[in-house]
Amino acid sequence: EIVLTQSPGTLSLSPGERATLSCRASQSVSSSYLAWYQQKAGQAPRLLIYAASSRATGIPDRFSGSGSGTDFTLIISRLEPEDFAVYYCQQYVSSPRWTFGQGTKVEIK
Amino acid sequence: EVQLVESGGGLVKPGGSLRLSCAASGFTFSSYSMSWVRQAPGKGLEWVSSIGSISSYIYYADSVKGRFTISRDNAKNSLYLQMNSLRAEDTAVYYCARDRIAADYYGMDVWGQGTTVSVSS
Repeated sequence: EIVLTQSPGTLSLSPGERATLSCRASQSVSSSYLAWYQQKAGQAPRLLIYAASSRATGIPDRFSGSGSGTDFTLIISRLEPEDFAVYYCQQYVSSPRWTFGQGTKVEIK
Repeated sequence: EVQLVESGGGLVKPGGSLRLSCAASGFTFSSYSMSWVRQAPGKGLEWVSSIGSISSYIYYADSVKGRFTISRDNAKNSLYLQMNSLRAEDTAVYYCARDRIAADYYGMDVWGQGTTVSVSS
C-alpha cells in the first residue's frame, strides 16, 4: 500500500512570502498520477495541480508543482491572503487506487 | 454551470444504513468517472470509492469494503453511495467528485459541497 507523507504539517508564513510544500511517497509514483488540492475551512477541496506540474483551469500561476518518483513539491511563489488553507497531495493508480496525503496547513504568521 | 449536489446525510445509529445521492448538472455525466471522498471532523481527506463512467470498474477503500456500495444512474445524472453497517468511525462529511481519468490522471476537478453523516447512539 502506497502512503503519501506531507511535510511540514504546518507552515507559518506572511503574505508575500514563498511557500514550499513537500509530498513524499512510500514507493515510486508516476508523475502523471500526482495531484494537489487546496481546501479552505468549511469548503470542499479544489483541484490545483494535476500530473504533478499542470495547473488546473483558473489556477493562478503563482502555484506550481514539480517532482518525480517519490518526491513532489508544491510551491506558492508569493502568498496571497486567500492562499492560507490546507493543501493535500493525491496519487492515483497504486493500491489503494486513490490516496491522499495527510495535509499541510499554511497559516498566517 | 457545472455542479454536484449531495444529499442524504443525517444522524444514524451504529449498525444502521444510509443512502447518499449526488446530482450532477452542467456536464455530460455519463462521460466521467466519479468518486466519493470523506473527511472526518478535524481530519484529512480519505478516498472512499470510485466508479467508472459506465460502471466499468468499481473500487473501494479497505475501510468500507463489504459495507458500502457505489452505483450510478447515467439516465438520471446521479451517483449513489449505499452505506450499511455504519460505525462511529464513518462519521464524516461525504463529498462526491468528478474524476478525470484518461491516459493520464487529471484529478478530481469538480466537487460537491458535501453531506454530513453522523453515526452515534
